[in-house]
Amino acid sequence: KAGVTQTPRYLIKTRGQQVTLSCSPISGHRSVSWYQQTPGQGLQFLFEYFSETQRNKGNFPGRFSGRQFSNSRSEMNVSTLELGDSALYLCASSRSGVAGGETQYFGPGTRLLVL
Amino acid sequence: GESVGLHLPTLSVQEGDNSIINCAYSNSASDYFIWYKQESGKGPQFIIDIRSNMDKRQGQRVTVLLNKTVKHLSLQIAATQPGDSAVYFCAEKEGGKLIFGQGTTLQVKP
Repeated sequence: KAGVTQTPRYLIKTRGQQVTLSCSPISGHRSVSWYQQTPGQGLQFLFEYFSETQRNKGNFPGRFSGRQFSNSRSEMNVSTLELGDSALYLCASSRSGVAGGETQYFGPGTRLLVL
Repeated sequence: GESVGLHLPTLSVQEGDNSIINCAYSNSASDYFIWYKQESGKGPQFIIDIRSNMDKRQGQRVTVLLNKTVKHLSLQIAATQPGDSAVYFCAEKEGGKLIFGQGTTLQVKP
């Protein structure tokens, strides 16, 4: 069974631009969560989508948004990029979500550099 | 808010020795914990998990111990190999998300 895939793997943007990242979960997984990983803050939860609905949200500004499609694929968007948005963005999937005590499996991440 | 922390940022062990990576958590209501391994340039890889109704769980060369009294979690790796070199994160479930510790870098000396 294929793992979680994320595209693109690397991205360079400039301040003020916007970016869209994509995540394809493991087949049969309906919950997709996004995390931001930086050296200073570590791994921080952005949001979770389940059945095309945002079910949980972390403490990030409204510039960070996401959506999920009927095939469970998810995208996250960051508008008006800031230098501090440079990070590794990780997507994780599970069948029905962590709340039920399920394991989340992570993709390789998208490395975003904002100049 | 609640946080999960690891005791040591770096652990250096000799190849073939056993490794013990520790983690302290602060939310006594947490009922699910996971250990992940992250190699350079990769996403976190699931190692083993444990629920709060258990004290110990074993996998292949790994054992997770949970002490709810002192809110402590540990990961034991038997016969550590060079391929075990990575950053190890503990994570606890909080509602519908995982809260991660800062990570311990495991260095395996040949």
